[in-house]
Amino acid sequence: KQEVTQIPAALSVPEGENLVLNCSFTDSAIYNLQWFRQDPGKGLTSLLLIQSSQREQTSGRLNASLDKSSGRSTLYIAASQPGDSATYLCAVRRTSGTYKYIFGTGTRLKVLA
Amino acid sequence: GAGVSQTPSNKVTEKGKYVELRCDPISGHTALYWYRQSLGQGPEFLIYFQGTGAADDSGLPNDRFFAVRPEGSVSTLKIQRTERGDSAVYLCASSLKRSSYNEQFFGPGTRLTVL
Repeated sequence: KQEVTQIPAALSVPEGENLVLNCSFTDSAIYNLQWFRQDPGKGLTSLLLIQSSQREQTSGRLNASLDKSSGRSTLYIAASQPGDSATYLCAVRRTSGTYKYIFGTGTRLKVLA
Repeated sequence: GAGVSQTPSNKVTEKGKYVELRCDPISGHTALYWYRQSLGQGPEFLIYFQGTGAADDSGLPNDRFFAVRPEGSVSTLKIQRTERGDSAVYLCASSLKRSSYNEQFFGPGTRLTVL
């Protein structure tokens, strides 16, 4: 059974810091991995999607990497801003025959001005 | 363009009542998903539709939960004899099946409170 873990559960940093959020999964047979952002009381906003054949994806100040063999993904946020404060969730799709995502419990990020 | 929309945004009901939650996917998206998110947890998969049919309903917790998508667009999640443990945010997502990426786009959710 696929299990997804995110560490740390919560993180508070001063504005301007570069930071790394971690996601690990127990079954390396994944089709893709998607990072989401969730603001309080809101739905999920897609940030980056990495296919299993890819090593990383970048969008602006965000960079996500994937190491399938070790069951890990990291989300790197450069030059953090107060507006980055949110919960960050990673989700994996297990195989090409299954479309559902298995989510981690998220990392709650607070960037202090 | 319009994203995924869900109605109502909030629903308060009494234990034992029946509720319906609605999801309007992004136009042209053939795949639709329902997830449930409890406080402090990540979303948990409930059911996935491809077109009008439920391709995977393995996440439905019991037979009180049912979902339909009669015309392959709007979907309704139905919960009978609600229990306090059903209280959660119900999220809907859609994607283009023909896209090998299967990137899922989420709606704002319906917060269900069962008193």
